[in-house]
Amino acid sequence: ETGVTQTPRHLVMGMTNKKSLKCEQHLGHNAMYWYKQSAKKPLELMFVYSLEERVENNSVPSRFSPECPNSSHLFLHLHTLQPEDSALYLCASSQVIHEKNTGELFFGEGSRLTVL
Amino acid sequence: DAKTTQPPSMDCAEGRAANLPCNHSTISGNEYVYWYRQIHSQGPQYIIHGLKNNETNEMASLIITEDRKSSTLILPHATLRDTAVYYCIVRRDHGSSNTGKLIFGQGTTLQVKP
Repeated sequence: ETGVTQTPRHLVMGMTNKKSLKCEQHLGHNAMYWYKQSAKKPLELMFVYSLEERVENNSVPSRFSPECPNSSHLFLHLHTLQPEDSALYLCASSQVIHEKNTGELFFGEGSRLTVL
Repeated sequence: DAKTTQPPSMDCAEGRAANLPCNHSTISGNEYVYWYRQIHSQGPQYIIHGLKNNETNEMASLIITEDRKSSTLILPHATLRDTAVYYCIVRRDHGSSNTGKLIFGQGTTLQVKP
């Protein structure tokens, strides 16, 4: 148990569906992340939220829409996805770093998405 | 952030030490070396990190060369459950605005064999 919970663990959706992935962290962290991991590829950073504000959006298509209503919850809303969007979507959290302190990321188990 | 180079794969016998190398020749003075691992179909797991001194915790030891251009992660007694992809990541501490994001490479696939 890492303290980061993702639901659902598995999701199958059609290209016209709208679905959402949910992430919840119980660690008191104030930064949250979405990563995408496609088969045979390294993890790709998608979005970063710090103090509930989006601070990074790595050229992610608009069919992926993140939402961070509070520091404990992060959503990824999915709309009109393509089959190539099938991947493992990983959520992570960390504590915003101050001065000389460093922080590590705590990852959830991931949501395995299949787009038909 | 500095780029890292790792061998794509390594084997290790169960019970022996696994030594995973990482080159980061362009590392700068305020960049940390982090190690994570990812067991199949799970999220990455933090192992250890360091700046310039060697570090040890309950999972592993991290040896950083004096010039900081390379490092080695040591798993002292590898078990079958240590089979995973191991990622070496260099990250800068930006101070109060740093969100701690990590950029992952391909990593080293460690296969521990009985």
